[in-house]
Amino acid sequence: AQSVTQPDIHITVSEGASLELRCNYSYGATPYLFWYVQSPGQGLQLLLKYFSGDTLVQGIKGFEAEFKRSQSSFNLRKPSVHWSDAAEYFCAVGAGLTGGGNKLTFGTGTQLKVEL
Amino acid sequence: DAGVTQSPTHLIKTRGQHVTLRCSPISGHKSVSWYQQVLGQGPQFIFQYYEKEERGRGNFPDRFSARQFPNYSSELNVNALLLGDSALYLCASSLQDQETQYFGPGTRLLVL
Repeated sequence: AQSVTQPDIHITVSEGASLELRCNYSYGATPYLFWYVQSPGQGLQLLLKYFSGDTLVQGIKGFEAEFKRSQSSFNLRKPSVHWSDAAEYFCAVGAGLTGGGNKLTFGTGTQLKVEL
Repeated sequence: DAGVTQSPTHLIKTRGQHVTLRCSPISGHKSVSWYQQVLGQGPQFIFQYYEKEERGRGNFPDRFSARQFPNYSSELNVNALLLGDSALYLCASSLQDQETQYFGPGTRLLVL
């Protein structure tokens, strides 16, 4: 069965500093990988996704992620964090269902705090 | 274009009651998925529907059921509510059942 590990529960960075959020996945086949962001009391917003091809993917709000098959990782990065980036970040892997569909398996999330 | 919409936004029920949550997908999307997010955890998959057929079910008891209507909107029903059912229930829609899922704002359910 597929699984996602986000090792960092909380991360605090200063505004303007760089950011890297870690994500490791376990999945038998070629994974579909996603990063979502959730602001307090809100739903999930898609930041970026990897299906195939270039292993460095660009997303919204200046985020990027790199797929490394050898390390089973899909880390999220941003070169300069803004105070508005404070939120919870979820990494997810998409896996096929026996009925032909697709479900997402999420990590437990990383709470990002930005210090001004 | 409107995103995924869910109703109600908040709901308070007591143990043993029944609840119905509703979801309208993004226009043109034919697949709806439901997730439960307990406080402090990532969302957990409950169901996926595509073209009114169930594509898959997560590890949830039979008290949880869902359906999808001809206009692709969906309902999630939970019977015999337990305190542990208190959570944020998220609906996601996708063009087809294998496509990227886009989430709504969720319905926050509190069971007392």
